[in-house]
Amino acid sequence: DSGVTQTPKHLITATGQRVTLRCSPRSGDLSVYWYQQSLDQGLQFLIQYYNGEERAKGNILERFSAQQFPDLHSELNLSSLELGDSALYFCASSVEVTNSPLHFGNGTRLTVT
Amino acid sequence: QQQVKQSPQSLIVQKGGISIINCAYENTAFDYFPWYQQFPGKGPALLIAIRPDVSEKKEGRFTISFNKSAKQFSLHIMDSQPGDSATYFCAAESNFGNEKLTFGTGTRLTIIP
Repeated sequence: DSGVTQTPKHLITATGQRVTLRCSPRSGDLSVYWYQQSLDQGLQFLIQYYNGEERAKGNILERFSAQQFPDLHSELNLSSLELGDSALYFCASSVEVTNSPLHFGNGTRLTVT
Repeated sequence: QQQVKQSPQSLIVQKGGISIINCAYENTAFDYFPWYQQFPGKGPALLIAIRPDVSEKKEGRFTISFNKSAKQFSLHIMDSQPGDSATYFCAAESNFGNEKLTFGTGTRLTIIP
């Protein structure tokens, strides 16, 4: 058990809808990362927060947004969903901002129909 | 632009054999090279990591070999066991700038009896 909790485990929704994925980091970790995993793209870095502030942005679409709250949990909001957004979304946390092990949750599987 | 190239895509090794997975990177600013192991239905978990000041790091049956001049690194699994069957991801990160942990596309390893 990595100590990172992601909810929900599965999500099925229709195109055009909006969903929110939730992540609770490992106790003591200040940094939260979001990754998207699809069959043809592997693990793609979306965004990183550190102690409530955005620290780095990767290949995150404008339809997607995230935030980290004062209690350090994070939410990833996906809107105007398209079929191609179907993927596994992983949250990871770490103690430091960079060059430290990432602890991944078990992911949220999003299916857009 | 794929900054970390991983091969092979899939690998079948007999029990007791050596499994070898290779990665190559382009960004010379990368200074942290971890390997992650992922089982079905789970998030990736850190297996072993190396920094470019050493050419090899060994932890149990797992060894990372690092060639800075060739910008390549590899994972060797000695005495491979069926329990090692998983997907392995190499990754790279820079301590500077916005280059967060970038993953290879993964290798699905199957150990057969």
